Amino acid sequence: GIQVEQSPPDLILQEGANSTLRCNFSDSVNNLQWFHQNPWGQLINLFYIPSGTKQNGRLSATTVATERYSLLYISSSQTTDSGVYFCAVVGDQGGKLIFGQGTELSVKP
Amino acid sequence: SAVISQKPSRDICQRGTSLTIQCQVDSQVTMMFWYRQQPGQSLTLIATANQGSEATYESGFVIDKFPISRPNLTFSTLTVSNMSPEDSSIYLCSVEGMPRGANYGYTFGSGTRLTVV
Repeated sequence: GIQVEQSPPDLILQEGANSTLRCNFSDSVNNLQWFHQNPWGQLINLFYIPSGTKQNGRLSATTVATERYSLLYISSSQTTDSGVYFCAVVGDQGGKLIFGQGTELSVKP
Repeated sequence: SAVISQKPSRDICQRGTSLTIQCQVDSQVTMMFWYRQQPGQSLTLIATANQGSEATYESGFVIDKFPISRPNLTFSTLTVSNMSPEDSSIYLCSVEGMPRGANYGYTFGSGTRLTVV
């Protein structure tokens, strides 16, 4: 089945810093999403982005489907950005949503 | 996107007992999905719940341990049976959202944080 790898596994930032999270996937996809899981366990959908670029405030994401990777950019990070960021995909042939192992982000004041 | 109400949000249960988790969606959906997230781990799909038929379970999950009901197109329950401390996890339900013809991907409930003592 399709493999999803995220990097880095952990990241510590000072408030105000920028960061880039990466998601590599092993096969063609027709769905790619970025989620933020807050410390209370809630999973928030950040982007649905099987291809192209999207922006939402301080967050933006780019998926290069032909090269099988996606990037999540966080600018001017805030302590409320802390938590775990997951990339998840559905392969071109359909099937279930497959999650990466996540990047745990900690933003220090 | 679909709005999902999941409850309870958290519970502490005695080993050997069972807990039923409920998910209510604000629109009709064909499939609902149940996930488990063990401490410090990623999410793993338990089963897919279709209305009017038995749920489809992923490898490593069985109906006797995780019975699922899907009585209509907006509601599903997951029961964690005969619990042990290893069942301590966050359990989440999910649907694939298609508002107004635009694919939004998957939306998740707020999760149930289960601790078994």
